[in-house]
Amino acid sequence: QVQLQESGPGLVKPSQTLSLTCTVSGGSISSSDYYWSWIRQPPGKGLEWIGYIYYSGSTYYNPSLKSRLTLSVDTSKNQFSLKLSSVTAADTAVYFCARVFPGGTFDFWGQGTLVTVSS
Amino acid sequence: EIVLTQSPDFQSVTPKEKVTITCRASQSIGSSLHWFQQKPDQSPKLVIKYASQSISGVPSRFSGSGSGTDFTLTINSLEAEDAATYYCHQSSSLPDSFGQGTKLEIK
Repeated sequence: QVQLQESGPGLVKPSQTLSLTCTVSGGSISSSDYYWSWIRQPPGKGLEWIGYIYYSGSTYYNPSLKSRLTLSVDTSKNQFSLKLSSVTAADTAVYFCARVFPGGTFDFWGQGTLVTVSS
Repeated sequence: EIVLTQSPDFQSVTPKEKVTITCRASQSIGSSLHWFQQKPDQSPKLVIKYASQSISGVPSRFSGSGSGTDFTLTINSLEAEDAATYYCHQSSSLPDSFGQGTKLEIK
């Protein structure tokens, strides 16, 4: 059974860069069958797709975040990461990582990690 | 960007009732529509994929239908554990998008 676990700072100051890592266990991030994704959810609100990354490093970003977003993958550590620059209070959210099959949907999710943007 | 609109936003229902939640897409997405259940402080759980395909381990009272722009999630004989917020998700074209959610309360 695949498991995903998010990690990173829970508090980020405005204008700084939010950095999170998702560690995958029980399966290889280098599988050609899946993409890996980030989704976020502001407190009390709905879900927003952030982007996808493939083990090769190919990425697909939400246009609304593209100018501030970088996704990367480290196959040696079975991890993928998110960096979101120039954050504001609007970036406060629970950030989830998830596995996705191409053309499909998110079948395994991490538990989520709350990131608060505040000085 | 494809916009997904769910209805209703909120529904209060009694156990054993049949519940129907709809999701309408702003343009045709074929069958690339999926449904999630999210309980408080939990990550979303996939309950239906590709509009009508069942998911292993999900109770058979959950079913889905539709194609193109109009989709339905049906929960037959509702149980107390089904209290949650339900989201639809489209993977037809980038950027992926979610519906705004439907909160289901059990009376």
